[in-house]
Amino acid sequence: DQQVKQNSPSLSVQEGRISILNCDYTNSMFDYFLWYKKYPAEGPTFLISISSIKDKNEDGRFTVFLNKSAKHLSLHIVPSQPGDSAVYFCAASPYGGATNKLIFGTGTLLAVQP
Amino acid sequence: DAGVTQSPTHLIKTRGQHVTLRCSPISGHKSVSWYQQVLGQGPQFIFQYYEKEERGRGNFPDRFSARQFPNYSSELNVNALLLGDSALYLCASSFEEHGNQPQHFGDGTRLSIL
Repeated sequence: DQQVKQNSPSLSVQEGRISILNCDYTNSMFDYFLWYKKYPAEGPTFLISISSIKDKNEDGRFTVFLNKSAKHLSLHIVPSQPGDSAVYFCAASPYGGATNKLIFGTGTLLAVQP
Repeated sequence: DAGVTQSPTHLIKTRGQHVTLRCSPISGHKSVSWYQQVLGQGPQFIFQYYEKEERGRGNFPDRFSARQFPNYSSELNVNALLLGDSALYLCASSFEEHGNQPQHFGDGTRLSIL
């Protein structure tokens, strides 16, 4: 049972435009959400996170939005740059867990065209 | 500062063999987690260790084991290797045992089973 879903396997965007990556989750016990970027032959790199007590978090060109009622989060990248081309993973962590276990989606491949 | 380091980067084994993968966390980080990533999927949680004790275990068979040393480095051991164990094995570290904090990943060990 996939608790974190990224329904778009790939996304293509023009340089300078906005990239919007989406993620849905099913477990209402998740209270911390993260986005990671992964280049080939490298490990995932942490981008940005959001706690369930917020609905928006911004860091430079990256903004994450959380809609708890819809169990949906999105990552906005503005403006998109060719170096942003990578696989983006959404991850979630359950509230009150004894561990910091992360549950990942299957990833979205973002291609930013020059 | 050095990030999470993993060794070896690549490994080829045959079915039935045993393998040991190694991880050194970011300096000061006391929690180490292991993840398995197969092609086309997001990373899947295997273990978390904190202060040398197991804090969490994912849905993996007993052939998988791990330990953490006093310097917080960690080993992942897999016995009786199967073809399905072919994957990228990722190590992640964080400062605390749990809570809302990002985990930082190494570049992984690519394990191929022939």
